[in-house]
Amino acid sequence: AQSVTQPDIHITVSEGASLELRCNYSYGATPYLFWYVQSPGQGLQLLLKYFSGDTLVQGIKGFEAEFKRSQSSFNLRKPSVHWSDAAEYFCAVKSNFGNEKLTFGTGTRLTIIP
Amino acid sequence: DAGVIQSPRHEVTEMGQEVTLRCKPISGHDYLFWYRQTMMRGLELLIYFNNNVPIDDSGMPEDRFSAKMPNASFSTLKIQPSEPRDSAVYFCASSLRETNEKLFFGSGTQLSVL
Repeated sequence: AQSVTQPDIHITVSEGASLELRCNYSYGATPYLFWYVQSPGQGLQLLLKYFSGDTLVQGIKGFEAEFKRSQSSFNLRKPSVHWSDAAEYFCAVKSNFGNEKLTFGTGTRLTIIP
Repeated sequence: DAGVIQSPRHEVTEMGQEVTLRCKPISGHDYLFWYRQTMMRGLELLIYFNNNVPIDDSGMPEDRFSAKMPNASFSTLKIQPSEPRDSAVYFCASSLRETNEKLFFGSGTQLSVL
């Protein structure tokens, strides 16, 4: 069965500093991978996705993520965070065999300090 | 489009009562998902529909939970009888087959069972 691990429950970063959120997946074949963001009191919003091809994918709000098959990872990065990036971030995985089930990680809460 | 609309935003009820959560997906979307979010278990997929037909309900915790989608613009998630451990945020999401990896989430229903 597919699964996702986000090892960091909570990360604090200074505004303007770089950010990397970790995500590891478990799946037998090449999965579809996603990062979603959840602002307080809101539903989730898709940041970016990886299906195939270029392993470095660009998303909205200046985020990017890199798929590394050898490490089963799909880490999210941003070179310079803004206070508005404070939110909860979820990595997710989906089978590429037509099953529409999206499995989410437990999330990483990002706090931005001035 | 107004996005995915869920009601109510907050529901407080007593143990043993019936609870009905409602969802209006984005017009034209053919997939609808119900997720539950708790601190302990994160985001769990309960059930999803394709063209109003339930496809996978393996995430529904027990028989107290039921979901229906009588038409393309409306779905309900019912809990009867409710228990304190059902307290969570329940999200509805919808997507298009062509871009079914991009889920559009509602703002959720915060359920508290006392």
